[in-house]
Amino acid sequence: EPEVTQTPSHQVTQMGQEVILRCVPISNHLYFYWYRQILGQKVEFLVSFYNNEISEKSEIFDDQFSVERPDGSNFTLKIRSTKLEDSAMYFCASSEAFSGEYYGYTFGSGTRLTVV
Amino acid sequence: DAKTTQPNSMESNEEEPVHLPCNHSTISGTDYIHWYRQLPSQGPEYVIHGLTSNVNNRMASLAIAEDRKSSTLILHRATLRDAAVYYCIFYNQGGKLIFGQGTELSVKP
Repeated sequence: EPEVTQTPSHQVTQMGQEVILRCVPISNHLYFYWYRQILGQKVEFLVSFYNNEISEKSEIFDDQFSVERPDGSNFTLKIRSTKLEDSAMYFCASSEAFSGEYYGYTFGSGTRLTVV
Repeated sequence: DAKTTQPNSMESNEEEPVHLPCNHSTISGTDYIHWYRQLPSQGPEYVIHGLTSNVNNRMASLAIAEDRKSSTLILHRATLRDAAVYYCIFYNQGGKLIFGQGTELSVKP
């Protein structure tokens, strides 16, 4: 079964450093998402991306965050200057359809980001 | 954002059916009802979705009330691998999933 692949599985970074989290969505999917989950809390929406631009973003997704699809396969989340409160599990997801018919999102296994 | 209400936790015995309830009294006519689950240390996983009619797939069944204000996810025979947090979610017209706290299902051997 097709999978969404995320790398690395765990990243430790110093406060103030930039990190890039990488995702390879399912190849025929057109819609891409980042979510995060702070330990013990809900899964939170960060951003959705379609046709090489952001479709929607949450208030968590401030100027410190950016997303990019640098080539035909990767989808990245960059945090410019990490804060302690950015420590969380970050999940990438992709789906075939954005509205109308719905086929389900496929999530990756996540990257655990630890900011020290 | 549209809100769903689920019990915080439920327990089941292995190989018995499990009925996971969800109330969604504010659902609109065009919102789909989705269920996802999250196994320990993994990303969420799509389970099933529906609009008005009951739905079946290889993982589960979804029973939707006639007034659509509630639904029930049915696992026909729970296994230990079904222990997870189960989320009932509206399909947001903007295309994003909004997760609540979900129901933590534990399965006893």
